[in-house]
Amino acid sequence: EPEVTQTPSHQVTQMGQEVILRCVPISNHLYFYWYRQILGQKVEFLVSFYNNEISEKSEIFDDQFSVERPDGSNFTLKIRSTKLEDSAMYFCASSEAGVGPQYFGPGTRLTVT
Amino acid sequence: DQQVKQNSPSLSVQEGRISILNCDYTNSMFDYFLWYKKYPAEGPTFLISISSIKDKNEDGRFTVFLNKSAKHLSLHIVPSQPGDSAVYFCAASPAGGTSYGKLTFGQGTILTVHP
Repeated sequence: EPEVTQTPSHQVTQMGQEVILRCVPISNHLYFYWYRQILGQKVEFLVSFYNNEISEKSEIFDDQFSVERPDGSNFTLKIRSTKLEDSAMYFCASSEAGVGPQYFGPGTRLTVT
Repeated sequence: DQQVKQNSPSLSVQEGRISILNCDYTNSMFDYFLWYKKYPAEGPTFLISISSIKDKNEDGRFTVFLNKSAKHLSLHIVPSQPGDSAVYFCAASPAGGTSYGKLTFGQGTILTVHP
């Protein structure tokens, strides 16, 4: 069964460093998303991406964040200068249609020290 | 952000019985609803969804009920199995505008099914 994959599974970085989280969505999906879950809190929407542009972004998704689909298979989330409060699980998701089930990857645990 | 609420942090059920998980929402723009299951250290796994034009959707042991006037949905699992033990999240999104793919999640309910 096709699945969303994410790398790395765990990333430790120092405050102020740049990180890139990588995702390979399901191959025939056209809509891509990033969510995050801070420990003990809800899963929160960050950004949606369709047709090579951002469709919607949340208040969390400020200028420090960017997304890219550099080729036909990868979807990346970049955090330019990490802060302690960026420590969270980051989930990538994809869907076939704009309204429909979103399928999530296993997540990347980001720890900022 | 309390637009989607799961008021029961946990639920304990005997194997073979029915599990009923509840979810309330406040945003009247929501018209597509989903349930996800999550195990520790894994991503959410899609279970079942329902759009606002329906009041019930069934898939095997899982049935989702939607009461639009009460802004309430529930997930029924019958019969419950020990492997169903996980955290269950409800999520909602609008079906139109630019926010169509933006899922808003509840806090989750921990379901424990005892053998």
